[in-house]
Amino acid sequence: DAMVIQNPRYQVTQFGKPVTLSCSQTLNHNVMYWYQQKSSQAPKLLFHYYDKDFNNEADTPDNFQSRRPNTSFCFLDIRSPGLGDAAMYLCATSRGTSGDQETQYFGPGTRLLVL
Amino acid sequence: GDSVTQMEGPVTLSEEAFLTINCTYTATGYPSLFWYVQYPGEGLQLLLKATKADDKGSNKGFEATYRKETTSFHLEKGSVQVSDSAVYFCALGPYPAGGTSYGKLTFGQGTILTVHP
Repeated sequence: DAMVIQNPRYQVTQFGKPVTLSCSQTLNHNVMYWYQQKSSQAPKLLFHYYDKDFNNEADTPDNFQSRRPNTSFCFLDIRSPGLGDAAMYLCATSRGTSGDQETQYFGPGTRLLVL
Repeated sequence: GDSVTQMEGPVTLSEEAFLTINCTYTATGYPSLFWYVQYPGEGLQLLLKATKADDKGSNKGFEATYRKETTSFHLEKGSVQVSDSAVYFCALGPYPAGGTSYGKLTFGQGTILTVHP
């Protein structure tokens, strides 16, 4: 089945130690998104790629970066994780951003713990 | 700016009860509307969507109708099951190409549903 895959499902890192979260998709979608979801809150969009075009949300901290080396993969890099960055990180994809192409499909998420 | 307001939870029901989760939105245009469901420890799954006024989305016994006049997209199910226990998110979708909400979903705060046998 076509799907959105996130690895690992759980990630433990140390305060200030860089960490990378991975997302891959077999849907061949053009757009890939990263959301941060803190406990009992709604997901918050960090940034997204439309093909190779990167779109950063205005309030996304500089500590968060992303890479998309090809259509299938997208990475979230947290350069110096703080305790406040502990959250579930959700990857999503869509074919496009309008009309029938706009529906976003989510992966299972990676739960990040910062010690 | 765009926003979504959901009824506060948690909502606790007995099996086979009728479910309504209210959702209202504020938007400057005519975005698509979505309901997503999140089971414990999982990512979000698309439950249903509607792309224009008076559209009804439906899936797995759940329904929601896009009401432009009341800016609402309430989720309903006639008979809930224990397996429906989850967090439900209403979301406002991106605008047609060229709009300022390019690619962005705006979520409500989520409503926790617990169904008891």
